[in-house]
Amino acid sequence: DTGVSQDPRHKITKRGQNVTFRCDPISEHNRLYWYRQTLGQGPEFLTYFQNEAQLEKSRLLSDRFSAERPKGSFSTLEIQRTEQGDSAMYLCASSPIQGAGVAFFGQGTRLTVV
Amino acid sequence: AQSVTQPDIHITVSEGASLELRCNYSYGATPYLFWYVQSPGQGLQLLLKYFSGDTLVQGIKGFEAEFKRSQSSFNLRKPSVHWSDAAEYFCAVGGNGYGNTGKLIFGQGTTLQVKP
Repeated sequence: DTGVSQDPRHKITKRGQNVTFRCDPISEHNRLYWYRQTLGQGPEFLTYFQNEAQLEKSRLLSDRFSAERPKGSFSTLEIQRTEQGDSAMYLCASSPIQGAGVAFFGQGTRLTVV
Repeated sequence: AQSVTQPDIHITVSEGASLELRCNYSYGATPYLFWYVQSPGQGLQLLLKYFSGDTLVQGIKGFEAEFKRSQSSFNLRKPSVHWSDAAEYFCAVGGNGYGNTGKLIFGQGTTLQVKP
């Protein structure tokens, strides 16, 4: 068990470009979460999956954001037409259903939009 | 509305001194409660959690927290701080019971600085 891994760790992109992040959860975990963390703030919930089903999306997740979890394994988060306000740390977490909210977090992807 | 408040944005303590980080929450019922720690550039590591039962919970690295229902608080404590404890600390709440999604609501965080 290597924990939750995220790729890339850092991404610098120009405004208007599309970016995609990947998250590999702990293998036996059914649930997968995406959070966004801006400087000086706590993480904010974006969306979550139970197996391959996306069950909840925050209003923070605008139409430019899309997340997938094909086959209930890894997940991707795509941001289209990036804006400077998208600059943040994107955190992925996973948990078993029985874990009652005990989420294990990856190290995050730091996105900088220039 | 559900929310978590960490009143202290930044705290500085001397190495060896005791520590208490405050956390207050607003939630419809008694939630699950968590403390996470984040070192610079890193993800979040779970320190401890409260689900039910004994209101004083022990965690890793010598941390403990006490749930006080009457005050809607879940303060984190450590009797003697080490320089390696310097980090950012987040209090979080999650749903309790059937239908719990595991989604967490985080506080703003408290940055701990440790003086030698």
